[in-house]
Parts: sequence; structure tokens; C-alpha cells
Amino acid sequence: AQSVTQPDIHITVSEGASLELRCNYSYGATPYLFWYVQSPGQGLQLLLKYFSGDTLVQGIKGFEAEFKRSQSSFNLRKPSVHWSDAAEYFCAVGARGGGADGLTFGKGTHLIIQP
Amino acid sequence: AAGVIQSPRHLIKEKRETATLKCYPIPRHDTVYWYQQGPGQDPQFLISFYEKMQSDKGSIPDRFSAQQFSDYHSELNMSSLELGDSALYFCASSSRPGQTYEQYFGPGTRLTVT
Repeated sequence: AQSVTQPDIHITVSEGASLELRCNYSYGATPYLFWYVQSPGQGLQLLLKYFSGDTLVQGIKGFEAEFKRSQSSFNLRKPSVHWSDAAEYFCAVGARGGGADGLTFGKGTHLIIQP
Repeated sequence: AAGVIQSPRHLIKEKRETATLKCYPIPRHDTVYWYQQGPGQDPQFLISFYEKMQSDKGSIPDRFSAQQFSDYHSELNMSSLELGDSALYFCASSSRPGQTYEQYFGPGTRLTVT
């Protein structure tokens, strides 16, 4: 079974500073990888995804993520954060079974933006 | 663009009661997923349907059941509710599983069991 680890429960970043959120996965092959963002009491919004091909993927809101097979990682980055980026960020993995498999989420990283 | 619709958005029930949550997927999406997110927790996959057939099953309690109808909407039925069932329930939809794999989430139904 697949699993996802987000080592950082909370991260505090100053507005305008760069951001990196870590994600490590466990899966027998190359999985589908996702980053979702959730504001308090809201639904999950897809930031970006990796299926295959270029290991550096671009997403919405200026986010990008890099898939590193050797490290089983899919870290999320943003060069300059804005106060509106404060939210909960979830990394998720999906199996390549060809069916409607559910996603497995990490525990999430709570991002706090300091003025 | 049209999104996933969930109803109701908020629901308050008492212990041992039943609840029905509804999900209307994005038009032309044929796959529906249900997730449960407890307070301060990550979403946990419950069950999914593709073309009205159950496709994958996660940690769904036996007290819960779900189905997908001919118009692709889905309902999650929850019986003998317990305090621990209080959570945010998300529905997500996607098209052509295994190909276009993005799951788009609805706003959720907040269930409170008292």
C-alpha cells in the first residue's frame, strides 16, 4: 500500500520569502503525485500534479514541484509567498492501477505567513 | 467552470440517527470518490464509483453505504451515527480513471453528530 509523509506539521515563512514544503512517498512504482491546498473550512483545491515526463511541474498560484525518483520525494516550492498562501497543504499519492483508486494523503503542513 | 456540488453543506444529527449526503459530479465526469476528514486530520478515502459500479473501497465503516446513480450523482448513506462520525465529508469527481486522473473536490458536507 502507498503512504505519504509530510515531515513538517507547521512552517512559518515571512511574506515575500521562498517556500519549500517536503513530501516523501512510498509506492512500488512511480505513482501519480498531487499537491492540494485547503483553507480553513473549505474544500481541497488541486495545485499541481505529476503523472510522467518532465519532473518539474508547474501549478497554479505560482507553485511548482519537483519529482525525484531517487529520493521518493515530491517537494512543493514557491519563490515568493503572499499572505493569501496561508493554508493547509496536503501531498497525495494515487496508484497507477487504472481504476478509480482513492488518493492517500499525507498529514498536511500548516503554512503560516508572517508579515 | 462547473464544480462538484455537495448537499447539504451542513448537517446536524443525533446519535443513532441516519444521514444521507449527496454529490453531483462535474458534468461529463463519470467517477465519484468519497472522503472523510476528521478535525485536524487528513482526508481518508472511503469509497469510489466508476460508471455506477463500486471501484475501490477504503476505510468505510459497515454502517455506511453508497451508490452512484444513472445520472452519475452519488449518495453516501450513514446509519447508526456515532459521535466519531462528526467530520467533513468530501466528494470528488474525475473523468476516465487511469488516464485523466485529477480528482476535483467539492466544498464538503460538515456533519455534526450530537
